[in-house]
Amino acid sequence: AQKITQTQPGMFVQEKEAVTLDCTYDTSDPSYGLFWYKQPSSGEMIFLIYQGSYDQQNATEGRYSLNFQKARKSANLVISASQLGDSAMYFCAMYGNKLVFGAGTILRVKS
Amino acid sequence: KAGVTQTPRYLIKTRGQQVTLSCSPISGHRSVSWYQQTPGQGLQFLFEYFSETQRNKGNFPGRFSGRQFSNSRSEMNVSTLELGDSALYLCASSFPDRETGELFFGEGSRLTVL
Repeated sequence: AQKITQTQPGMFVQEKEAVTLDCTYDTSDPSYGLFWYKQPSSGEMIFLIYQGSYDQQNATEGRYSLNFQKARKSANLVISASQLGDSAMYFCAMYGNKLVFGAGTILRVKS
Repeated sequence: KAGVTQTPRYLIKTRGQQVTLSCSPISGHRSVSWYQQTPGQGLQFLFEYFSETQRNKGNFPGRFSGRQFSNSRSEMNVSTLELGDSALYLCASSFPDRETGELFFGEGSRLTVL
């Protein structure tokens, strides 16, 4: 069975600083995909970044990077230079035969 | 390019009624999946449709059903509503390879059951 664990219910970060959101996963599938989504208060899920299980390099998308440590089964999201608009719920998810989400981390960016 | 469209955005029903939610995927996308989001259970997978066939199903009772039409639009139906069905229902579409492709979500349909 697939499982995603996000141990940080909420995080605060000062504007312009970097923040790391933790995500660990468990799966027996050799091939899988890891995603991070942002959900603002409007409810829409916004795709941020994707990492394939066979990708050798960590994924990056603008200010977002995914710190993928396969042996430790972790896929932490790093947001550099936080902005006030980054305040939202962040979900880590894994795709094996279906998309499984973690419980989410609420991020609040302080000015 | 238009995103995933879900209708209605908000609705209120009473226990015992049924509800139908609609999802129009991004043009060209053939896979549509549905998720239920509640404060207590988080985001849970309901089902996935591809080319009008249900490809995968989550652990929900038979009151929850869905279908996909030839134009890839999808509907989900919940019959005999219960208070616990109050949730945000999210639809996502993808193309071409669901294993590696990004899922595009709609803004959701927020259902309140009284």
